Amino acid sequence: KAGVTQTPRYLIKTRGQQVTLSCSPISGHRSVSWYQQTPGQGLQFLFEYFSETQRNKGNFPGRFSGRQFSNSRSEMNVSTLELGDSALYLCASSPSTASSSYEQYFGPGTRLTVT
Amino acid sequence: AQSVAQPEDQVNVAEGNPLTVKCTYSVSGNPYLFWYVQYPNRGLQFLLKYITGDNLVKGSYGFEAEFNKSQTSFHLKKPSALVSDSALYFCAVRDMGDGNQFYFGTGTSLTVIP
Repeated sequence: KAGVTQTPRYLIKTRGQQVTLSCSPISGHRSVSWYQQTPGQGLQFLFEYFSETQRNKGNFPGRFSGRQFSNSRSEMNVSTLELGDSALYLCASSPSTASSSYEQYFGPGTRLTVT
Repeated sequence: AQSVAQPEDQVNVAEGNPLTVKCTYSVSGNPYLFWYVQYPNRGLQFLLKYITGDNLVKGSYGFEAEFNKSQTSFHLKKPSALVSDSALYFCAVRDMGDGNQFYFGTGTSLTVIP
């Protein structure tokens, strides 16, 4: 099976702009989670989508939003970008079943730089 | 509050020596425990997991981890370190009593010295 794919891999934006990141999960996986990774904060959970519904949400401002489509592909949007939003954004997919132990499989990430 | 702690930001070990990367957790329900490894400019790769059963679990690349319920720990170990093991290691817990949410530690940078 193909792994989790994320596009684009690298992105440079200016403060105040908005950005949309895309994630395609492993075929058959219905859960997609998003994380922000920064050197000082480690991995911070943004949100999880399951069957097009947001199932869990981390402690991020409303500028961060997401959605999931019927084919399980997910997008994450950040509006009114700030310098502090510069980070590696990781997407993870999961079968989200007890038999799979809810294991997560990560994509390579999108490196966002805000100038 | 649910949390995962990796008390060491950096671990250095000589090639061929045993290595340990520490992790402790605090969750409200039964934990599912995981270790992931991240190489530079890459996503996280799954190493191993503990769900139930034997406290010692074996995973990829010769790594193993020991679950200790009384100490709420899940330390990662390898009998003989390789230079290629140098990477960033993350401990994670899925709290089955909190909406199955994942919590990650802050990561431990492992350097294996030739």
